[in-house]
This record gives sequence, C-alpha cells and structure tokens, in this order.
Amino acid sequence: DAGVTQSPTHLIKTRGQQVTLRCSPKSGHDTVSWYQQALGQGPQFIFQYYEEEERQRGNFPDRFSGHQFPNYSSELNVNALLLGDSALYLCASSFQGPVEKLFFGSGTQLSVL
Amino acid sequence: TQLLEQSPQFLSIQEGENLTVYCNSSSVFSSLQWYRQEPGEGPVLLVTVVTGGEVKKLKRLTFQFGDARKDSSLHITAAQPGDTGLYLCAGALEETSGSRLTFGEGTQLTVNP
Repeated sequence: DAGVTQSPTHLIKTRGQQVTLRCSPKSGHDTVSWYQQALGQGPQFIFQYYEEEERQRGNFPDRFSGHQFPNYSSELNVNALLLGDSALYLCASSFQGPVEKLFFGSGTQLSVL
Repeated sequence: TQLLEQSPQFLSIQEGENLTVYCNSSSVFSSLQWYRQEPGEGPVLLVTVVTGGEVKKLKRLTFQFGDARKDSSLHITAAQPGDTGLYLCAGALEETSGSRLTFGEGTQLTVNP
C-alpha cells in the first residue's frame, strides 16, 4: 500500500516564475491538505481539498491555488514566485471524519532564487 | 503570536535521561496530535488525543491532553539516540475540520549516546 507520494522532491525556480507541485494521496483517502514548512518552523496550513473543491483555506495569498482530480490526487500551484516562498511543501491525505489522521508525504523542497 | 507554543525549542540530552516537551495555547482544541519529523521527510503521526485529561502511552512515550483541551505534554522515558528528531504538536480548533491543523514550531530533540 503506497503512502502519500509527492513530486518533484526538489525544485529550483527564479522569482516571478510559476510552479506546480503534485500529490497522490494514500489509498482510500479522499481529502488532501497542503502545508508550507519554512526552515526551522512548524508546517502552516495552505488549503484543503475534498470532493474536488477547496473546503478550507489558510492565510495565504491568491497566488497559491490548487486542484483536486476525480482520483483524489491534487496539485498546488504558486504564481509569481517570491524569495519568501522557498520552503518545504507538504501534502497530507486523510479520510473525512470527526477526528482525521493525517498522513504526510516527504514533501517538495522549493528553492526560489 | 504563535497559536500553539512549544517548549523547549531545542533539547540535547544524554541517552537514558527523561524529558518532557510542552505544548500550550489559549485556544481550545477538539483534538491534538503529536508528530515526529526527520530531516527530508514529512511529519509522522505518533498519537491523537481527543478527550480532556486523556493520557496515552506508546512504549516509552506518554502523551497527556490538558483537562481544558488547551495544552498537552509529551514525556519520554529513558531516551535513546533513535528518539532524535523534531517533535511537533498540532491541534484542530473546534470550529475547523480535523485536517486543518495548527502546528507548534517544534522541539528539536538530540539524544547523545
């Protein structure tokens, strides 16, 4: 049973560019959440997708957008990259319920130069 | 202001010692989770606590949820070098879904042989 898989593992971009990160959830999970983890800090919630819709959103600008596909996989898009967007981007999958157990992927390390 | 305050931020101890990590907030959480993260990897769930006053044990790790569901602690007995890692607490606020977690900044634990 494959866990949460993310691609690519590492990415280098320059300011102003756009990036797309991908995530395949754990088998049986229907919800995907994205988190940003800056160096030395805990992850911060970006948004959550369920039934192909954005259900909740954290305090991130509209440059951050996403999508969920019918097979539950998800993409995170970031436009007009800033230096401050450099971080580890984590995808977590879960199954909707009163107490959700999140399973995280290994993340995509994004460096913006 | 961090919603979840973790302390200490760094902890370096010798093998065999005991330690406690604290996670405090002024907000009430419907559930609280503890994760361990290693370099280059995503956080891995250790435990979820949902009831005020709840105590859970996982081998040498003991987790406690405060009576008011605003704080939690992680106690490790007879620490081993394999316990080294970043320990993160994360809570789900009552008004949000369980997969929208607020993370503390983490406690970097180093256990020296």
